[in-house]
Amino acid sequence: DQQVKQNSPSLSVQEGRISILNCDYTNSMFDYFLWYKKYPAEGPTFLISISSIKDKNEDGRFTVFLNKSAKHLSLHIVPSQPGDSAVYFCAASKHQGAQKLVFGQGTRLTINP
Amino acid sequence: DTGVSQDPRHKITKRGQNVTFRCDPISEHNRLYWYRQTLGQGPEFLTYFQNEAQLEKSRLLSDRFSAERPKGSFSTLEIQRTEQGDSAMYLCASSFLTGVNSPLHFGNGTRLTVT
Repeated sequence: DQQVKQNSPSLSVQEGRISILNCDYTNSMFDYFLWYKKYPAEGPTFLISISSIKDKNEDGRFTVFLNKSAKHLSLHIVPSQPGDSAVYFCAASKHQGAQKLVFGQGTRLTINP
Repeated sequence: DTGVSQDPRHKITKRGQNVTFRCDPISEHNRLYWYRQTLGQGPEFLTYFQNEAQLEKSRLLSDRFSAERPKGSFSTLEIQRTEQGDSAMYLCASSFLTGVNSPLHFGNGTRLTVT
């Protein structure tokens, strides 16, 4: 039962362009969503989050959009930089503050110079 | 902020042996989590502590697994009678319980290989 799905295992984007990573979820009880970035041999690093009371949250080059009716969220990175090449995980939790996260399978983003 | 520290980084053991991993969370964080990640998958929740109390355990955590957090500081995860299916990356994370959402901060993990 995969409650959080990232259907694209990989994505390749040219440097300077926009990267869009997608995530779908099935559990309507999820109310807090996060994106993590992971480099090889390191643990996941928190990137950006959004509460279900919002539909957009922006932090520098990173913006997360939430569409509750479609149970879909996306991460936009603009402009994309070579250092953004990593595996990106979408995660969701049911109760604010409980932080028992359910993760997607990850999308490997490669930024080409 | 020295980050979440996990030890060892790598562990190779033979099937049937016991192994123990240690996690030192960020000092002011009162919540500590254990996750497991296998190849091609995202991390899966195993258990979490608030201070020294273990508040929840996943069905993934069989009787062979036990976690402790004495005195609400560092935590240990022990796997008894290891099986090849236990091979995975074991990740520890910590967070600060507040009235608003506090993201988890992960360590670099312990990679377990059971031969």
